[in-house]
Amino acid sequence: DAKTTQPPSMDCAEGRAANLPCNHSTISGNEYVYWYRQIHSQGPQYIIHGLKNNETNEMASLIITEDRKSSTLILPHATLRDTAVYYCIVRVGNYGQNFVFGPGTRLSVLP
Amino acid sequence: DSGVTQTPKHLITATGQRVTLRCSPRSGDLSVYWYQQSLDQGLQFLIQYYNGEERAKGNILERFSAQQFPDLHSELNLSSLELGDSALYFCASSLLQGNTEAFFGQGTRLTVV
Repeated sequence: DAKTTQPPSMDCAEGRAANLPCNHSTISGNEYVYWYRQIHSQGPQYIIHGLKNNETNEMASLIITEDRKSSTLILPHATLRDTAVYYCIVRVGNYGQNFVFGPGTRLSVLP
Repeated sequence: DSGVTQTPKHLITATGQRVTLRCSPRSGDLSVYWYQQSLDQGLQFLIQYYNGEERAKGNILERFSAQQFPDLHSELNLSSLELGDSALYFCASSLLQGNTEAFFGQGTRLTVV
């Protein structure tokens, strides 16, 4: 079972920041938070991951609360091509652990 | 381009038949994962291999099997196909089993008629 809770859908105006929340209140100390997205029926695309510090890369920023019970994925300047389903996943990188995808958040970027 | 190659991209076959889906992981990646995504459904984990050995099993049917070869490519075998097996099948690979990201291929769309 997925260990995360995300809103089923969100809208964002083109050019504005998209802030996608994720609740993972039962996260363990050694579990990382991963974000993926899936555009139409393409393969899921890796976005970013982190443990407890905020992370930033060329695609997005990941803000993890101090208690690590929630996080926010930030797309700083959303474009129409960012319309996708976004998945928040918690995972321990131990032997045999895979990525468990929940229903995710369907982000619609509007012109 | 994620670097993960899946073939074929599309496959149409009849009920009762058997098919093989192939996955070539990114260069250097040792771990391979298989996922199934039915129409309007979520991504369901099927099975994971690491350096040729099975590491984790999800909701994979007994009619399905997989293996990872010495050159690290993987194959997913689906037999006695049913209409409900029509889905997208994705393969992903990652370098290690630890906290490294996995990269997904573009999938094989299987249609059973």
